[in-house]
Amino acid sequence: DTEVTQTPKHLVMGMTNKKSLKCEQHMGHRAMYWYKQKAKKPPELMFVYSYEKLSINESVPSRFSPECPNSSLLNLHLHALQPEDSALYLCASSQVFGTQDYSSYEQYFGPGTRLTVT
Amino acid sequence: DQQVKQNSPSLSVQEGRISILNCDYTNSMFDYFLWYKKYPAEGPTFLISISSIKDKNEDGRFTVFLNKSAKHLSLHIVPSQPGDSAVYFCAATGNQFYFGTGTSLTVIP
Repeated sequence: DTEVTQTPKHLVMGMTNKKSLKCEQHMGHRAMYWYKQKAKKPPELMFVYSYEKLSINESVPSRFSPECPNSSLLNLHLHALQPEDSALYLCASSQVFGTQDYSSYEQYFGPGTRLTVT
Repeated sequence: DQQVKQNSPSLSVQEGRISILNCDYTNSMFDYFLWYKKYPAEGPTFLISISSIKDKNEDGRFTVFLNKSAKHLSLHIVPSQPGDSAVYFCAATGNQFYFGTGTSLTVIP
């Protein structure tokens, strides 16, 4: 099973709402990532979890709150978002993160959640 | 500050011919490079990679070339097929992970 699943596929939320994005993988990977992708732009790294601990936070606003309940699950909690936060949110996983094992950098991506903030 | 750039946003190639996608980077500390392919409404999928200690890696129709002195890598697809039509991202990593800006490849039957 080389699949990373994300739910929901689409999400429309108001600026005062609280919602969560979910990501799941069953490949035994110990690194999981959240990316944000705007139209015609490359994916931008937001967060990296390594062994369920937050390793990288790319100066993401606090209205985005990641959570890694276990090695297979990754959540992104959303609160008080702005319309400019509308984007495709991608989850990815890899075997590990930040080692000299280069195969660890081969990331498997989910299909993404298309988020629209109104 | 875009550390990984793909200067051609789009490329069209006839089926059966060679597709060459280019990527430039600025950070000499990058030591591993990857290419991802992305279809609409899907996440990127890993295609091929190369370590900085090599200058070429081949996998079937796909070959990646690395020129460290020029900080340049390229992806060659031979022969190109219509199913190769997608957006291709190069990526580079050292202690961080950066995607390039993407090139949309169209293979014309």
